[in-house]
Amino acid sequence: DVKVTQSSRYLVKRTGEKVFLECVQDMDHENMFWYRQDPGLGLRLIYFSYDVKMKEKGDIPEGYSVSREKKERFSLILESASTNQTSMYLCASRGLTSNDEQFFGPGTRLTVL
Amino acid sequence: AQSVTQLDSHVSVSEGTPVLLRCNYSSSYSPSLFWYVQHPNKGLQLLLKYTSAATLVKGINGFEAEFKKSETSFHLTKPSAHMSDAAEYFCVVSDAEDSNYQLIWGAGTKLIIKP
Repeated sequence: DVKVTQSSRYLVKRTGEKVFLECVQDMDHENMFWYRQDPGLGLRLIYFSYDVKMKEKGDIPEGYSVSREKKERFSLILESASTNQTSMYLCASRGLTSNDEQFFGPGTRLTVL
Repeated sequence: AQSVTQLDSHVSVSEGTPVLLRCNYSSSYSPSLFWYVQHPNKGLQLLLKYTSAATLVKGINGFEAEFKKSETSFHLTKPSAHMSDAAEYFCVVSDAEDSNYQLIWGAGTKLIIKP
């Protein structure tokens, strides 16, 4: 059974804290993604990675960075959390062809106080 | 450039009646199209996908979607709604012209089922 796991389901942090969200996939996928999901806005792409140590900005990268040191692991970093980063964060992985679907983790609901 | 428009943010139907969730896309080449479902407080799950084989695609839970190139549409249907279908549905497009890495997501349609 294919799997994408995320390190936390719920997280509460304070403004200014550094936050790490981790994602691991076991499908040997090259491509991994971080999205945030907010009511009425659908999924918005923050960053994606197409290979180890490779990354590309998505639609809303400001305030975020990412790290991909190993193929199976993709981390999202909030250098200094702010209240407008309170959201649901979704990690996904995907194979190489345009026919491949994305597989999603369960999500991390982050609250920044 | 690719884009996806889900024409309704909310759709409300009575249990046992047909469901129609509308999706239009813009794509330069032959696209791959997907529908995902997200039940309340659950993760995103693939419902079905179109990948240039049959234009009528059957998915899980009795859903199906028809790819209509002339109308650039990929509407999701189900003959008879069930209470368990209440969820948010997302239409997604990917094509070979753009990066293989990205899919373009619609804003979502919330399906409400009335008893």
